[in-house]
Amino acid sequence: NAGVMQNPRHLVRRRGQEARLRCSPMKGHSHVYWYRQLPEEGLKFMVYLQKENIIDESGMPKERFSAEFPKEGPSILRIQQVVRGDSAAYFCASSPTQTAPEQYFGPGTRLTVT
Amino acid sequence: GESVGLHLPTLSVQEGDNSIINCAYSNSASDYFIWYKQESGKGPQFIIDIRSNMDKRQGQRVTVLLNKTVKHLSLQIAATQPGDSAVYFCAENTSSGGSYIPTFGRGTSLIVHP
Repeated sequence: NAGVMQNPRHLVRRRGQEARLRCSPMKGHSHVYWYRQLPEEGLKFMVYLQKENIIDESGMPKERFSAEFPKEGPSILRIQQVVRGDSAAYFCASSPTQTAPEQYFGPGTRLTVT
Repeated sequence: GESVGLHLPTLSVQEGDNSIINCAYSNSASDYFIWYKQESGKGPQFIIDIRSNMDKRQGQRVTVLLNKTVKHLSLQIAATQPGDSAVYFCAENTSSGGSYIPTFGRGTSLIVHP
């Protein structure tokens, strides 16, 4: 029973490039959450998606960041024109239902912008 | 604004001792609280949860206490082991439109000395 999977685990991008982070939720889970974590900081909520819908994107920066969760395939967090301040660990979590507060986290993608 | 915070950023204990990690929250509308454990290089892992209508909940070697009067949450780990070394986060959850978006505290680093 595979858990939440994220890839790549490590991603290095130069300033101005695009970063694409992928998340496959646990089997049977259709609710996905993305978080960002800076060193020695807690997790900051970015966006909550269900299949083909963005439910809550109140934590997403208004520019350069976008997320999707298509009917088929993984959820993708996309960061365009990356800047050094985007360097962080990005975690994805999934839950089985909308009303289940417990979330299952993936191992994260560590993005480094050079 | 509303926030979740931890009193101690680092806690060092000897193997076999009991550990207590504290968390203060300020949103009185929060109705669900979760403790997560995050080991180095990994995603957060669910430990134990508690609903706002409870004041104590026990798991395997862990106990969570909730004091709504002073808006305080604690995680007690009995007979702490080296494998318990990690960063511990509390997260408060408030239902919004039927879904839960957690707010995480900064975290407490637990160091267990053999």
